[in-house]
Amino acid sequence: KNQVEQSPQSLIILEGKNCTLQCNYTVSPFSNLRWYKQDTGRGPVSLTIMTFSENTKSNGRYTATLDADTKQSSLHITASQLSDSASYICVVSAEYGNKLVFGAGTILRVKS
Amino acid sequence: NAGVTQTPKFQVLKTGQSMTLQCAQDMNHEYMSWYRQDPGMGLRLIHYSVGAGITDQGEVPNGYNVSRSTTEDFPLRLLSAAPSQTSVYFCASSYSSSLDSPLHFGNGTRLTVT
Repeated sequence: KNQVEQSPQSLIILEGKNCTLQCNYTVSPFSNLRWYKQDTGRGPVSLTIMTFSENTKSNGRYTATLDADTKQSSLHITASQLSDSASYICVVSAEYGNKLVFGAGTILRVKS
Repeated sequence: NAGVTQTPKFQVLKTGQSMTLQCAQDMNHEYMSWYRQDPGMGLRLIHYSVGAGITDQGEVPNGYNVSRSTTEDFPLRLLSAAPSQTSVYFCASSYSSSLDSPLHFGNGTRLTVT
């Protein structure tokens, strides 16, 4: 069964600190993996996409990694800001059936 | 560009009532879709459309209808609301149905069925 598991469910960090969010998937055959940021009361917004051949990709203070062998991805946030408080959703695309599998998300709260 | 616009933002229905959730996009996207988001679960696909006049069922289509008469609009109809349909509903559009295209989401409609 195609599944995406994210950990931790929630996380509280102090402003300025770094954090790493995890995404494990069983989707096969794999097409790509995308991270979305969802602010409270808003729709998700794409942060970055990882394809099979990519190991690391950065978008400002956000760095995503992908290990296609172990079927794991991480999203690292550097020097966190209050505006990083949001839910981060991992979405994996299955190559056949044009299917997207969504994780339940990690809720991040950055405190001052 | 306004992007994807959803109305209303909040709605309370009684069991058995019907209503339509509106969704419009101004990006000329061919692909549009409806998701529901429930606590502790990933977004689940209700219905989707790959172009005007074409719709198809997603993962959880029961109790919902859609139509796509124009490229811009993709309304979601609840035929007879049930408490199990209490959720936050998101409309999303994409340049194409290709898995490489990001989804652009609206800001959601929070629906409560009593």
